[in-house]
Amino acid sequence: AQSVAQPEDQVNVAEGNPLTVKCTYSVSGNPYLFWYVQYPNRGLQFLLKYITGDNLVKGSYGFEAEFNKSQTSFHLKKPSALVSDSALYFCAVRDMLSNYQLIWGAGTKLIIKP
Amino acid sequence: EAGVAQSPRYKIIEKRQSVAFWCNPISGHATLYWYQQILGQGPKLLIQFQNNGVVDDSQLPKDRFSAERLKGVDSTLKIQPAKLEDSAVYLCASSLSRGGSAARETQYFGPGTRLLVL
Repeated sequence: AQSVAQPEDQVNVAEGNPLTVKCTYSVSGNPYLFWYVQYPNRGLQFLLKYITGDNLVKGSYGFEAEFNKSQTSFHLKKPSALVSDSALYFCAVRDMLSNYQLIWGAGTKLIIKP
Repeated sequence: EAGVAQSPRYKIIEKRQSVAFWCNPISGHATLYWYQQILGQGPKLLIQFQNNGVVDDSQLPKDRFSAERLKGVDSTLKIQPAKLEDSAVYLCASSLSRGGSAARETQYFGPGTRLLVL
């Protein structure tokens, strides 16, 4: 079955430190992978996506994600965290078998402490 | 380029009442999605339209929820009658299309409508 896992409910990072938000997936075929961010009382904002090619994908607000096929992972990273990065982050994978729907992770709350 | 518009932003109703949400997608986007997001969870797809046709409504509680996209542009989601468990944020998203490429499939979300059923 197609699935996405975000193993951490919450990640705490000090401002200025690097951050990683983890995502693993299970899907048939080549995956299309997405990261979205949700600020309080706001809709989801697209950060970045992986299609094919370069395993390191760069996105908005200085975020990047590393695709690892052997580990079926797509971890979100940022070299230096900002307090304003505090938000809820969702990983999603396209499911070709279900009308190209996105399968969503449960979300990871990222807290950046000053 | 204007984003996905939704209204109202907030709605409080009593159980058994009806409510309707409106969504206007990004211009030129053929695919429109309605999601339900319960606090602390990821979005759950309710219905997906391609132009004015329904692609998937398998997770839509059809005894109380209905949606339409008559002219293939804006869309309305209705709940009648509402239950307490319908309290959630209702998100609308749109994409250029479904299938084809990740660029065309990337979904862009509106700000959502927060519904509280008392």
